Amino acid sequence: DQQVKQNSPSLSVQEGRISILNCDYTNSMFDYFLWYKKYPAEGPTFLISISSIKDKNEDGRFTVFLNKSAKHLSLHIVPSQPGDSAVYFCAASVGDMRFGAGTRLTVKP
Amino acid sequence: NAGVTQTPKFRVLKTGQSMTLLCAQDMNHEYMYWYRQDPGMGLRLIHYSVGEGTTAKGEVPDGYNVSRLKKQNFLLGLESAAPSQTSVYFCASSYVGSRNEQFFGPGTRLTVL
Repeated sequence: DQQVKQNSPSLSVQEGRISILNCDYTNSMFDYFLWYKKYPAEGPTFLISISSIKDKNEDGRFTVFLNKSAKHLSLHIVPSQPGDSAVYFCAASVGDMRFGAGTRLTVKP
Repeated sequence: NAGVTQTPKFRVLKTGQSMTLLCAQDMNHEYMYWYRQDPGMGLRLIHYSVGEGTTAKGEVPDGYNVSRLKKQNFLLGLESAAPSQTSVYFCASSYVGSRNEQFFGPGTRLTVL
């Protein structure tokens, strides 16, 4: 069963606007959440993370929000840039890491 | 630093053949992992290792074996390949202290005919 779900396979936004990528999880035991970014023909690279004791973590243009009661995670990118075009994976961990299926973000100039 | 490297980058096998995928890291990481990525499925953990000489099963271990004889290397073996093992395989490594922040290799695309 997929414990981490990214229900939007793709997202397209205009350069300079906000990108919001969403992720839902089912296992309430997850205590650490991460976002990875993946370009074609490369491995995923770590982007940002958040512990379950926080509800927000910010790093430059990237902010991750955690709503534990809703079991929902989101990544905000502001402002979006064409170089942000990639596949974004949400991941959750309590020991083993479980990944979502990914959302392909396209940022149009 | 090369980071995490994987050999080979591409491979085509016939059903029943065997092969070994090699992962190497030069970051002195304790933990190493093997994942497979299939369309619509995300990355799923096959096996992992928390140190030289130790391995453990992940989410989808059947049909695979692993070995960690040296700290910097993690080998993934397929003894008798099946078409269901057609996938992209990623190796990753991490520090003990930041176990969940993993560094990934570029992947190996394996096709089993």
